[in-house]
Amino acid sequence: DAGVTQSPTHLIKTRGQQVTLRCSPKSGHDTVSWYQQALGQGPQFIFQYYEEEERQRGNFPDRFSGHQFPNYSSELNVNALLLGDSALYLCASSFWRQGIRGNQPQHFGDGTRLSIL
Amino acid sequence: ELKVEQNPLFLSMQEGKNYTIYCNYSTTSDRLYWYRQDPGKSLESLFVLLSNGAVKQEGRLMASLDTKARLSTLHITAAVHDLSATYFCAVDTNAGKSTFGDGTTLTVKP
Repeated sequence: DAGVTQSPTHLIKTRGQQVTLRCSPKSGHDTVSWYQQALGQGPQFIFQYYEEEERQRGNFPDRFSGHQFPNYSSELNVNALLLGDSALYLCASSFWRQGIRGNQPQHFGDGTRLSIL
Repeated sequence: ELKVEQNPLFLSMQEGKNYTIYCNYSTTSDRLYWYRQDPGKSLESLFVLLSNGAVKQEGRLMASLDTKARLSTLHITAAVHDLSATYFCAVDTNAGKSTFGDGTTLTVKP
C-alpha cells in the first residue's frame, strides 16, 4: 500500500520562474493539504483540497495556487518565485470524514525540497 | 489567529534521563497531534489526542492533553539515542488545517 508520494524530490529554480509540485495521496484518501516548511521551522498550512475544490487556505499570497484531479492527486503551483519561497513543501493526505470526526492523523509525503537562486 | 508554542526549542539530554516537552496553544481546539521528524525526512505521526484528559503512550513516549489549560505535554522516559529527532505538536481548528509549533529538537547523548 503506497503512502503519500511527491515529485520531484528536489528542484532548483531562479527568481521569477514558476514551479509545479505534484502529490499522490495515500490509497483510500480523498483530501490533500499542502504545507511549506522553512528551515528550522514548523510546517505552515498553504491550502487544502477536497472534491477538486480548495476548501481552506492559509496566509499565502495568490502566487500559490493548486488543483486536485478526479483521482485525488494534487498539484501546487507557485508563480513569480521569490528567494523566500525556498523551503520543503509537504503534501499530506487524509480521509475527509475521518478528518472531521475521526482520530486519524494526516499522512505526510517525503516532500519536495525547492531551492530558489 | 491560533498560535502554538513549544518549549524548549532545543533539548540536550543524557541517555536514561526523563524530560517533558510542553505545547501551549491559544484558542480552543479538541484535536492535537504530535509528530516526529528526522533530519531531511518527512513527518511521522506519533499521537492523536482528541479529548480533555487524553493520555497516550508508545514505548518511552507519553503524551497528554489538557484542553482547559490549552496544554499538551510529551514526556520522555529513560531516553535513548534513537529518540533524537525534532518533535512537533500541531493543533487543528478545522478538519485538516493544522497549525504547528516550531518544534523541539531533541539530542540524546550517551
